[in-house]
Amino acid sequence: QQKVQQSPESLSVPEGGMASLNCTSSDRNFQYFWWYRQHSGEGPKALMSIFSDGDKKEGRFTAHLNKASLHVSLHIRDSQPSDSALYFCAASEGTGGYKVVFGSGTRLLVSP
Amino acid sequence: GGIITQTPKFLIGQEGQKLTLKCQQNFNHDTMYWYRQDSGKGLRLIYYSITENDLQKGDLSEGYDASREKKSSFSLTVTSAQKNEMAVFLCASSMGLDTQYFGPGTRLLVL
Repeated sequence: QQKVQQSPESLSVPEGGMASLNCTSSDRNFQYFWWYRQHSGEGPKALMSIFSDGDKKEGRFTAHLNKASLHVSLHIRDSQPSDSALYFCAASEGTGGYKVVFGSGTRLLVSP
Repeated sequence: GGIITQTPKFLIGQEGQKLTLKCQQNFNHDTMYWYRQDSGKGLRLIYYSITENDLQKGDLSEGYDASREKKSSFSLTVTSAQKNEMAVFLCASSMGLDTQYFGPGTRLLVL
């Protein structure tokens, strides 16, 4: 079983809409979480990190972490066609040499 | 800002061949990673290195070797390419457990 599971696998939202992506960990030792975005043909780029319970906002992006339920989410408001990409959740225990585990991704399509 | 360079961009090999992929970073980061990504899927960790001359196995290390020759470079070797194998290999670097910065990838096709 994958230690970091993302849902949905794919998501379609209209331009200007809200996109909500979810990530659940099966490993209670994971304490550090990131969201990455990958456009076609490129390497992933970090969107934001979140290490504490609660919300973290950066521009149109808001991440929410609940360590008790091992759940982290990413919300994109006022979605733009340029937000269409593959989004990854990543997690780490923070010990043992910085090993990071990635989820399988959510493919977001924002239609004009 | 820094940059991660991966060479080659495309690699076509033959079954059974030993293939080497190279990665250079100028961020002065301590930690470097190699991931494999199969068509539009998630990233699987092959090897990582927390400092020069260090090597740590990831979940997918079988069939691969790695070498951290110096702080700025990290190489990955496919020890015996599998027929019809097709994947993107991504190199990344970070300062400790901080955000990872990725290169553009090397696309491998084995005939």
